[in-house]
Amino acid sequence: NAGVMQNPRHLVRRRGQEARLRCSPVKGHSHVYWYRQLPEEGLKFMVYLQKENIIDESGMPKERFSAEFPKEGPSILRIQQVVRGDSAAYFCASSAGQVSTDTQYFGPGTRLTVL
Amino acid sequence: GESVGLHLPTLSVQEGDNSIINCAYSNSASDYFIWYKQESGKGPQFIIDIRSNMDKRQGQRVTVLLNKTVKHLSLQIAATQPGDSAVYFCAENTGGFKTIFGAGTRLFVKA
Repeated sequence: NAGVMQNPRHLVRRRGQEARLRCSPVKGHSHVYWYRQLPEEGLKFMVYLQKENIIDESGMPKERFSAEFPKEGPSILRIQQVVRGDSAAYFCASSAGQVSTDTQYFGPGTRLTVL
Repeated sequence: GESVGLHLPTLSVQEGDNSIINCAYSNSASDYFIWYKQESGKGPQFIIDIRSNMDKRQGQRVTVLLNKTVKHLSLQIAATQPGDSAVYFCAENTGGFKTIFGAGTRLFVKA
């Protein structure tokens, strides 16, 4: 049962370091979404990618954040020069993407703590 | 800003009772709605969805009602069990792939 996998599950970084979050979608899914969740809040959309393409990055900060979904390998969410405000849970979801109502399956998340 | 919100941040019910979780949305163009369950330390789990051309949809112990006139969505859980304790999110989709989540309601089930 290969669902969405994310690693690491927990990541601690000091201010100014880089954080790399990985997401392996459900096998056969070519659509990946990244969300951010602060404690006691809902998920906020960040970016939507298809293989090798960014489709919608309207929820992702213009500075320091980037995402990719290469032809081979997992999707990567990269945060450069992390600040304390980046501390949050980051969730990845994937879908088959045939239609917009395709169910998004979520991974367990990566909890980023910035010291 | 977010267009999906919830009336109650927390809900406490007795085991065996029915639970009703409400959600309001403001985007009349939204045509697809989803309920997710999130347990502590885990990612959201799909529960049930409904399209805007429907008023009601039933699953196993869960029912989603959609009232487009007042832009209201509800999730009903029958015979609530301790395992139903979690945070429940409603989410909407306006036809693209971007899903907008509400703030969530925490459900406590008392044994």
